Amino acid sequence: DSGVTQTPKHLITATGQRVTLRCSPRSGDLSVYWYQQSLDQGLQFLIQYYNGEERAKGNILERFSAQQFPDLHSELNLSSLELGDSALYFCASSVGTGGESPLHFGNGTRLTVT
Amino acid sequence: DAKTTQPPSMDCAEGRAANLPCNHSTISGNEYVYWYRQIHSQGPQYIIHGLKNNETNEMASLIITEDRKSSTLILPHATLRDTAVYYCIVRPSGTASKLTFGTGTRLQVTL
Repeated sequence: DSGVTQTPKHLITATGQRVTLRCSPRSGDLSVYWYQQSLDQGLQFLIQYYNGEERAKGNILERFSAQQFPDLHSELNLSSLELGDSALYFCASSVGTGGESPLHFGNGTRLTVT
Repeated sequence: DAKTTQPPSMDCAEGRAANLPCNHSTISGNEYVYWYRQIHSQGPQYIIHGLKNNETNEMASLIITEDRKSSTLILPHATLRDTAVYYCIVRPSGTASKLTFGTGTRLQVTL
């Protein structure tokens, strides 16, 4: 158990809808990362937050947004969903933001868009 | 970010040591070598990381060559539960430092 909690585990929704994925980092970790894993793309970095502030952005679509709250949990919002958004979404957390702080991943949310 | 090269797949007999190689010839002096694994569709699991020196923990050992252009992850006594995709990642030491995953090595541990 990595200590990172993601909810829900599974989500099935229709095209055009909006969903929110939630992540609780490990106790003491200030940095949260979001990754997307689809069959044809592998693990892709989406966005990183540190203590409530956005720190780095990857290949995140404009339809997607995220935030980190004062209690350090984070939410990833996906809107105007398309079939291609079906994927596993992982959250990870680390103590700091530097390369010496390992990321610890949750077990993901499996999103299915029908 | 420095690129890594890993064999796409490897086999290992249960109880034997699994030695997973990784080439990162363009690594720079302030970049860490990280190893993660992913079992089925679970979240990637952190294994070990190092900068220059060899490292060992309860899961594995990491051997980094002196020129830092390659490394080897060693699982000393592989079990069936070690069957997974193993990712070798070079990660910058600066702030806002993300992990960039490649395609990894699929390790199959057999009886």
